[in-house]
Amino acid sequence: DSGVTQTPKHLITATGQRVTLRCSPRSGDLSVYWYQQSLDQGLQFLIQYYNGEERAKGNILERFSAQQFPDLHSELNLSSLELGDSALYFCASTTRPGDSNSPLHFGNGTRLTVT
Amino acid sequence: GIQVEQSPPDLILQEGANSTLRCNFSDSVNNLQWFHQNPWGQLINLFYIPSGTKQNGRLSATTVATERYSLLYISSSQTTDSGVYFCAVAGWRDDKIIFGKGTRLHILP
Repeated sequence: DSGVTQTPKHLITATGQRVTLRCSPRSGDLSVYWYQQSLDQGLQFLIQYYNGEERAKGNILERFSAQQFPDLHSELNLSSLELGDSALYFCASTTRPGDSNSPLHFGNGTRLTVT
Repeated sequence: GIQVEQSPPDLILQEGANSTLRCNFSDSVNNLQWFHQNPWGQLINLFYIPSGTKQNGRLSATTVATERYSLLYISSSQTTDSGVYFCAVAGWRDDKIIFGKGTRLHILP
């Protein structure tokens, strides 16, 4: 168990809808990363937060947004969903990026299916 | 941004064989990690290794930062080693951790 909790595990929704994915980082970790993994693809970096502030952004669509709350949990909001948004969404946490020996720990992911 | 290339893309081996997976990156890094994604989709951190050599049981990794590559060695492969192995790096400019496309390893019994 990595200590990173993602909910829900599975989500099935229709095109045009909006969903929220939730992530609770490991105890003591201040930074949260979000990744998208489409079928048989690698992990695409979406966005990163550190102690409540956005620190780095990848190729995240304008329809997607995220935030990290004061209790350090994070939410990824996906709106106007399209079939191509179907994927596994991972959250990962770490103590402080760039510090020596600060490994990334992943949650088990949320599998989103858009029909 | 930093580019990460992993090779080979696919590898099929018999149980008991050894293997070497390679990760090349395009710029200097302050963070390099190896992950294993098992057939159930879980991502497990294997090594945090921006430089030097580490060993953990049958697995070991070496990063030569000056030459911009890292190697993951798996010895005496077991069927449970099957899955996808990812290399991920971050540069000095920001905290983005970028993943390579992975090496898919299939160990035959």
